[in-house]
Amino acid sequence: SQQGEEDPQALSIQEGENATMNCSYKTSINNLQWYRQNSGRGLVHLILIRSNEREKHSGRLRVTLDTSKKSSSLLITASRAADTASYFCATDGGSYIPTFGRGTSLIVHP
Amino acid sequence: DGGITQSPKYLFRKEGQNVTLSCEQNLNHDAMYWYRQDPGQGLRLIYYSQIVNDFQKGDIAEGYSVSREKKESFPLTVTSAQKNPTAFYLCASEGTGANYGYTFGSGTRLTVV
Repeated sequence: SQQGEEDPQALSIQEGENATMNCSYKTSINNLQWYRQNSGRGLVHLILIRSNEREKHSGRLRVTLDTSKKSSSLLITASRAADTASYFCATDGGSYIPTFGRGTSLIVHP
Repeated sequence: DGGITQSPKYLFRKEGQNVTLSCEQNLNHDAMYWYRQDPGQGLRLIYYSQIVNDFQKGDIAEGYSVSREKKESFPLTVTSAQKNPTAFYLCASEGTGANYGYTFGSGTRLTVV
């Protein structure tokens, strides 16, 4: 079974709006990662957040982690059509071997 | 430039055939992984190797085999025992320390014909 599960499964927004997607997991982790996948391509690493961190930023991306709720969120600010992709969270369940959720499909309309 | 190369991009297999998917990296990463991706299923771990000449089964290893004779290479063989091999296969590598995330190849799409 998947360790991390993303929510929502699909998200459709207009260019310029913010996009928020969430990840929930079941067991303790060492770190949580977010990845992006364009259709038919490999995954691209976005951000890694460690279990002792609460928030990280990278450009227009903001990731939060709440270990007490076993959840994380990825916020993309001022979205662009080029942000259209699937976004996955990966959690390691304490083993350093990440497992991936089913992903959130984001569509940004120009 | 450093990266991971998967080949071929598209592969067609007849029933009962074994096929081998190539994965090569020039990142000097110790750990390498194979994932299978089906629509709506996310990524599932097939095999992983954290060091040369050693590898471990993942969640769905049945019907697959791997080797790790060189640090740079981690080929995956899809055997005839894999009853539903049509999927998108992704190879990834990770440097020592597990701090910087995976680097993925661009994938191989395998179709049974």
